[in-house]
Amino acid sequence: AQSVTQPDIHITVSEGASLELRCNYSYGATPYLFWYVQSPGQGLQLLLKYFSGDTLVQGIKGFEAEFKRSQSSFNLRKPSVHWSDAAEYFCAVGAGRDDKIIFGKGTRLHILP
Amino acid sequence: DTGVSQDPRHKITKRGQNVTFRCDPISEHNRLYWYRQTLGQGPEFLTYFQNEAQLEKSRLLSDRFSAERPKGSFSTLEIQRTEQGDSAMYLCASSSQGAYEQYFGPGTRLTVT
Repeated sequence: AQSVTQPDIHITVSEGASLELRCNYSYGATPYLFWYVQSPGQGLQLLLKYFSGDTLVQGIKGFEAEFKRSQSSFNLRKPSVHWSDAAEYFCAVGAGRDDKIIFGKGTRLHILP
Repeated sequence: DTGVSQDPRHKITKRGQNVTFRCDPISEHNRLYWYRQTLGQGPEFLTYFQNEAQLEKSRLLSDRFSAERPKGSFSTLEIQRTEQGDSAMYLCASSSQGAYEQYFGPGTRLTVT
């Protein structure tokens, strides 16, 4: 069965600093991987996705993620965070097209001014 | 494209009452999903539809829960005899057939007192 681990519950970075959020997945075949962001009281917005091909994927709001099969990881990065990036970030894995998505427990990002 | 909408956004009910939530997917999407998110957790899959057919139900969906999508457009999720443990955010998502990513609505926050 698929599973997703986000080892960091909270992360605090200063505005303008770089960011990396960790994600490890468990899935037997080639996974379909996602990062979603959730602002307080809101639904989830898709930041980026990986299905195949180039292992470095670009998303919205200046985010990128790198798929590393050997490490079963799909870490999210941003070179310079903005105060508006404060939110909860969820890594997720899907078994395939049209299938349900399995989410990690999320990482809450705090930004210091 | 107005996105996925959910109604109501908030619901407070007393234990033992029945509640019903509505989800309107993106108009051309034929797949519709329901997830539940409790505090500090990622969303957990409940059920999904392709058109009007309910294709999968999670074991989280007890007998008190029922979901319908009668005409393959909007969907309803009903909880009968609510319990305090049902307090959560209920999220709806939709996707077009053959797509990998799902688009989420803002959610309905249920509080059972």
